[in-house]
Amino acid sequence: DIVMTQTPLSSPVTLGQPASISCRSSQSPVHSDGNTYLSWLQQRPGQPPRLLIYKISNRFSGVPDRFSGSGAGTDFTLKISRVEAEDVGVYYCMQTTQFPYTFGQGTKLEIK
Amino acid sequence: QVQLQESGPGLVKPSETLSLTCSVSGGSISGYYWTWIRQPPGKGLEWIGYIYYSGSTNYNPSLKSRVTISVDTSKNQFSLRLSSVTAADTAVYYCARLLKNSGLQIVLVFDIWGQGTMVTVSS
Repeated sequence: DIVMTQTPLSSPVTLGQPASISCRSSQSPVHSDGNTYLSWLQQRPGQPPRLLIYKISNRFSGVPDRFSGSGAGTDFTLKISRVEAEDVGVYYCMQTTQFPYTFGQGTKLEIK
Repeated sequence: QVQLQESGPGLVKPSETLSLTCSVSGGSISGYYWTWIRQPPGKGLEWIGYIYYSGSTNYNPSLKSRVTISVDTSKNQFSLRLSSVTAADTAVYYCARLLKNSGLQIVLVFDIWGQGTMVTVSS
């Protein structure tokens, strides 16, 4: 299985300041078709997860442009340019390149 | 707008079978992949498996011996059965759509999620 490891596990951030979450995979999640199926999800308190970013850096429909994804190989990053109160929650990276699909353990974003 | 809704018993006894259904509204179940994911209390997400509308499946090997996912296109529903449950199977169970293609590109994302249903395994 591809193990996804996120850091930090908790990230206190000041409103209006940037935030960054890292995700490292135990092996390259590059598919044989050349694509990297690495996604980021946001889970607000009491809510189901919501897709933010797919294929490393593509924002999903309706996702604010303050969210961005980057990375290559086995290291990936989710960045929030200016954190807003509604961004509080847990963020997960996940890979759908190889079975079984796997998730990172989650990073809790909270406001200082 | 496609919406998903999980339903089923909230309490299951140890060694029995957990059964959940996901109802798809606002769109057809045909043409898509549908998946189950679970989240133990206070923990992360675990992919259980998926089913294509035609009936082909793929399961997480960690659960494969106990899992069955089925689809009923006439009812626009798909279902999860997990046998021989233990306390470790206590979790919120989510159904979601696995979108394979968007336009001409392959995306492989969970783009639509149900609200989730809590299942507790206890005697």
